[in-house]
Amino acid sequence: KQEVTQIPAALSVPEGENLVLNCSFTDSAIYNLQWFRQDPGKGLTSLLLIQSSQREQTSGRLNASLDKSSGRSTLYIAASQPGDSATYLCAAANTNAGKSTFGDGTTLTVKP
Amino acid sequence: NAGVMQNPRHLVRRRGQEARLRCSPMKGHSHVYWYRQLPEEGLKFMVYLQKENIIDESGMPKERFSAEFPKEGPSILRIQQVVRGDSAAYFCASSIGDEKLFFGSGTQLSVL
Repeated sequence: KQEVTQIPAALSVPEGENLVLNCSFTDSAIYNLQWFRQDPGKGLTSLLLIQSSQREQTSGRLNASLDKSSGRSTLYIAASQPGDSATYLCAAANTNAGKSTFGDGTTLTVKP
Repeated sequence: NAGVMQNPRHLVRRRGQEARLRCSPMKGHSHVYWYRQLPEEGLKFMVYLQKENIIDESGMPKERFSAEFPKEGPSILRIQQVVRGDSAAYFCASSIGDEKLFFGSGTQLSVL
């Protein structure tokens, strides 16, 4: 059974700082791994999807990496902004993209 | 191109009543997934449907819960005889095959 852990549970940084969010998973036979953002009271917004055969994906100030052998993924956010404040979730899919196991998230606060 | 539409946004039911949650996937998406987010817990997979078929319902409680995705119309998650423990945010996601998941804004169910 897949288990996904995200550390830290909460993170507070000053604006402009670069930061890394961590995600670990127990079953390395994943199909893909996806990072999401969730704002309070809202749904999830997909940020980056890394297929099993890929090592990383980039979008703007975001970069996500995947290391299946160690069961880890990281989300790197460059030059953080207050608008980046949200909860970030990673989700590992073992069979198909939709049946994913989610971590509990890291709640990020970027202070102006 | 409208995103995943869920309604209602908020639903209040008394114990013993029925709750019906609706989800219209993104245009062109034939895969629908339902997730539940209990208070202070992470997102948990419930069921995966394609048009007129339930593909995987391993995350759905065996009793009182059912889901459908008819040939025409939205996907419906139905909860019969609701109890207080059913209070949660229910999210629907859709995809084109094994690609990115797109989530709706969720339905917040409150059981009095």
